[in-house]
Amino acid sequence: GQNIDQPTEMTATEGAIVQINCTYQTSGFNGLFWYQQHAGEAPTFLSYNVLDGLEEKGRFSSFLSRSKGYSYLLLKELQMKDSASYLCAAMDSNYQLIWGAGTKLIIKP
Amino acid sequence: GAVVSQHPSWVICKSGTSVKIECRSLDFQATTMFWYRQFPKQSLMLMATSNEGSKATYEQGVEKDKFLINHASLTLSTLTVTSAHPEDSSFYICSAPGTGDTEAFFGQGTRLTVV
Repeated sequence: GQNIDQPTEMTATEGAIVQINCTYQTSGFNGLFWYQQHAGEAPTFLSYNVLDGLEEKGRFSSFLSRSKGYSYLLLKELQMKDSASYLCAAMDSNYQLIWGAGTKLIIKP
Repeated sequence: GAVVSQHPSWVICKSGTSVKIECRSLDFQATTMFWYRQFPKQSLMLMATSNEGSKATYEQGVEKDKFLINHASLTLSTLTVTSAHPEDSSFYICSAPGTGDTEAFFGQGTRLTVV
C-alpha cells in the first residue's frame, strides 16, 4: 500500500535548527512536497524535490533520497512564526498526492 | 479520525460539458473548505475558499463563473467545472482546516481529463 510517515509533534527553541523527517512508500514516484499550514489557513507551498539531494531556499531546506524513500525539511534560525504544521506529500505514478498526517512544530522562546 | 471524502477520483468528460466534484467531511463539520488545483510536478494552487452559508472567496485569476463552488451544508462542498475545456484537465483537491491539534484534512483528489 501507499503510506507516508512523519512525526506527530516536535518542539524546538527559537533561533535553533529543527529537522522534520518523512518516509514514504508509493506506487511510482513523481516528487515530494512540503507544505506549511497555520491553524485555520490554507497550506502554503514550501518545496518540491524530485531529484536526490538538498535544495536550499532561505531558512528552509529540503532533502530527498529516492533510494531510501526518505525526505526531510530543515528549518534554521527558528522564529516564533514558524510554529505550524508541516505536511509531507508524495506524488505517485498517477500524479495522485499521498499526504502525511502532518508534524506540529512548537517553537518555544 | 476525521476524513474528507472526495468523489470522483477520476473523471473523463467531453469538451463543453460540466463536471461536479464533491467533498464530504465525515465525522466532523467543515464550515470552511479549500479547493486546490495542481498540474503535474507543480505545487498546489489555491483556487477558492468555500464557506458554509455564504459565497465562496476566489483567488485572483480564478474564474468564478467557470468554477462554481457551493457549500450547501456543514458536511458537503462541491466544485463544478462548467463548460470544461482540455486546458481544465488537472488534479483537483479539497482540504478542510482542522481544529485543535490537527491542522488539515485532505480529500483524495480528483483527476479530471477533458477530451
